[in-house]
Amino acid sequence: GQQVMQIPQYQHVQEGEDFTTYCNSSTTLSNIQWYKQRPGGHPVFLIQLVKSGEVKKQKRLTFQFGEAKKNSSLHITATQTTDVGTYFCAGPYGGSQGNLIFGKGTKLSVKP
Amino acid sequence: NAGVMQNPRHLVRRRGQEARLRCSPMKGHSHVYWYRQLPEEGLKFMVYLQKENIIDESGMPKERFSAEFPKEGPSILRIQQVVRGDSAAYFCASSPLEGGRAEQYFGPGTRLTVT
Repeated sequence: GQQVMQIPQYQHVQEGEDFTTYCNSSTTLSNIQWYKQRPGGHPVFLIQLVKSGEVKKQKRLTFQFGEAKKNSSLHITATQTTDVGTYFCAGPYGGSQGNLIFGKGTKLSVKP
Repeated sequence: NAGVMQNPRHLVRRRGQEARLRCSPMKGHSHVYWYRQLPEEGLKFMVYLQKENIIDESGMPKERFSAEFPKEGPSILRIQQVVRGDSAAYFCASSPLEGGRAEQYFGPGTRLTVT
């Protein structure tokens, strides 16, 4: 069945270091979404990418959608302790009108 | 504009009891999703509902679990005869558009503990 995979599962960085998480889908996606979940919290929507090769920036966060619309990445420049949490990517299941299928997430810890 | 509301936030049930989890979507949202999350794991889709209709329940166990989203009132996820393996965080999300076309707004979750 359709799968969305994320690597790495865990990432420990020193504050100020960069961080990247990668997301790969077994099928072409009409869009990809990223969510962040703080420890003990709930997922919060970060961004949606729709176009092939699209790149979007939110302050220190850079999101990319691959040319084939099957992979995506999230890069954080100069991590801060406030970046701690689990980052999930998600894509529509079964096409553009399906439910979201989530990756298992990358858990980021930042050492001050 | 109030966000997605879920109650209770924490629920403790003994094995064999029933658990009822409630979700009120954001105003104007007619699409509701339920997810289950085990500790240190991702979100597992359970069911997708619109008002009075179940659109997709492929992620929900066939037995003991049911969901509804009536014309009036919140969406309800009901778990009958709970077992220890049902202990998890259950998140509800709502969206203004169907399926994966738009972002989903998550509620704070209900942490279910079965003793």
